[in-house]
Amino acid sequence: EPEVTQTPSHQVTQMGQEVILRCVPISNHLYFYWYRQILGQKVEFLVSFYNNEISEKSEIFDDQFSVERPDGSNFTLKIRSTKLEDSAMYFCASSDWDRHYGYTFGSGTRLTVV
Amino acid sequence: SQQGEEDPQALSIQEGENATMNCSYKTSINNLQWYRQNSGRGLVHLILIRSNEREKHSGRLRVTLDTSKKSSSLLITASRAADTASYFCATDVNNQGGKLIFGQGTELSVKP
Repeated sequence: EPEVTQTPSHQVTQMGQEVILRCVPISNHLYFYWYRQILGQKVEFLVSFYNNEISEKSEIFDDQFSVERPDGSNFTLKIRSTKLEDSAMYFCASSDWDRHYGYTFGSGTRLTVV
Repeated sequence: SQQGEEDPQALSIQEGENATMNCSYKTSINNLQWYRQNSGRGLVHLILIRSNEREKHSGRLRVTLDTSKKSSSLLITASRAADTASYFCATDVNNQGGKLIFGQGTELSVKP
């Protein structure tokens, strides 16, 4: 069964540093998403991406966040200057054009900001 | 209450029993989905029910949707210890670019 692949699985970074989280969505999917889950809290939507542009973003997704699809396969989330409160599990997901079969989520990247 | 709220927050049952989890939401939706998450792991898509559907089955899972009450339920029949996990409902809200709104989840514990 096709998978969404996320790397790295764990990342520890110092406050103020930039991090890039990487994702390889399912190849024939057209919609791509980032979500995050702070420990013990609900999963929160960050951003959706379609046709090489952001289609929706949440209040969390401020100027320190950016997304990119640099080639035909990768989808990245960049956090420019990390804060302690950015520590969370970050999930990438993808879906087909009409979201008929739901979303496929990756296993997540656990980001720890120290 | 917030969009996508589940109850109960925690449920403990014996193997072989059925588990029922409920979800309420507030806005118009395209579909409602249920996900499972084992501790510290990724989200696994279980089942999707569209706004024009009332009931759906997949193996031991049965999902109902009542759009007039803005509620859904997930029934897991003949539960197994391996079903122990957190279960989340997520709503795909109309005209929101595919954004899913997740509830807080129900923590299910199935004792052997």
